[in-house]
Amino acid sequence: QAQLVESGGGVVQPGASLRLSCVASGFDFSSFSMEWVRQAPGKGLERVAFISFEGSTKYYAASVDGRFTVSRDNSKNTVYLHLSGVREDDTAVYYCMDQFIRGQGTRVTVTS
Amino acid sequence: DIQMTQSPSILSASVGDRVTITCRASRNIGHWLAWYQQRPGTAPKVLISEASTLQHGVPPRFSATGSGSDFTLTISNLQPDDFATYYCQQYSNYVTFGAGTKVEVK
Repeated sequence: QAQLVESGGGVVQPGASLRLSCVASGFDFSSFSMEWVRQAPGKGLERVAFISFEGSTKYYAASVDGRFTVSRDNSKNTVYLHLSGVREDDTAVYYCMDQFIRGQGTRVTVTS
Repeated sequence: DIQMTQSPSILSASVGDRVTITCRASRNIGHWLAWYQQRPGTAPKVLISEASTLQHGVPPRFSATGSGSDFTLTISNLQPDDFATYYCQQYSNYVTFGAGTKVEVK
């Protein structure tokens, strides 16, 4: 059964950096593109970043472009999201997904 | 990007009711549509994939139809556990979510 487990969230100050990780199991990770989406408190689901199965193609939402970087290590079945220059409106639960949200997400809180 | 328009945004209903939520894609997505249920404080849970395929363990009172650009989720005989927010999501071209439908107690 496919599983995705996110980690790396926390409470940080504006301007800080952190790296989120998502470990996949139960499917052929290296054959699937991956996305990160987020959900701010009381809000809907927003697409954040996309990475192709081999890592050569990446897309970002306008709200994070230039601040967030997506990467993957197919040897570790892991996709990453590096957040830099975080702002209070980046506060959200972040989920990784192949076609579906499968995990519990990791919470990022940006506060001064 | 494909836009997903979901309606209604709020649906007031009672236990035992039959409710329907609709989702429209801005272009043809075939059958590449999923429905999620999200209870407060928890992650979204996939109920249905490929427009109409019930996930393992999802009660049969949930059903869904549609293809192309118009889709519906129906909950028959609404139960107390079903009061939650529901999202549609296309995965034909990257992923996009609808804005959600909150099913609340009437």
